[in-house]
Amino acid sequence: DADVTQTPRNRITKTGKRIMLECSQTKGHDRMYWYRQDPGLGLRLIYYSFDVKDINKGEISDGYSVSRQAQAKFSLSLESAIPNQTALYFCATSDPGQIAGISQETQYFGPGTRLLVL
Amino acid sequence: DAKTTQPPSMDCAEGRAANLPCNHSTISGNEYVYWYRQIHSQGPQYIIHGLKNNETNEMASLIITEDRKSSTLILPHATLRDTAVYYCIVIYDYKLSFGAGTTVTVRA
Repeated sequence: DADVTQTPRNRITKTGKRIMLECSQTKGHDRMYWYRQDPGLGLRLIYYSFDVKDINKGEISDGYSVSRQAQAKFSLSLESAIPNQTALYFCATSDPGQIAGISQETQYFGPGTRLLVL
Repeated sequence: DAKTTQPPSMDCAEGRAANLPCNHSTISGNEYVYWYRQIHSQGPQYIIHGLKNNETNEMASLIITEDRKSSTLILPHATLRDTAVYYCIVIYDYKLSFGAGTTVTVRA
């Protein structure tokens, strides 16, 4: 979805380096997410943010940190990269709502960042 | 904790309808059925979602059984660009859980 952009699209780094992946969105959504995908596996949630002042750990947050600089920007940092963090990283945004009292939420994903840690 | 069951793969002829089944027998009353697809390591793309009623948009149709225990995603006229992994997800709020999905290959 062109409304959600990620930079860089590809990155090669060395073990121990600190790197940052950036996500920007023009959808005006409050909620933003970071996922990783490993070959042959589904997406796993790293961190999520429901608004600028709200940051929450997902299921695999160890080794990662995030920053929500503005409603439109959500960055993911690998403090000291290790080879098993080699993966595809996706950012997503959503705008939750309710119909008839039932929550619904559609997440829109960016194109991904392919990260290789040597 | 798999909430949905999908066939691992299926083939479809270009121009024909593709019918993708999904079982979600433990779905609860406040969970929606969502479909996403992922084309060759690109970001997952939202297709459609529904609660009880059948839904249709420009991409697909979603048929949900009356007991809500299963659903079918219909791509009415499959093209080669529809080759992808299709994920059926039941979700309440934000907790997306992508399983293995169905790998759909559209053949000329």
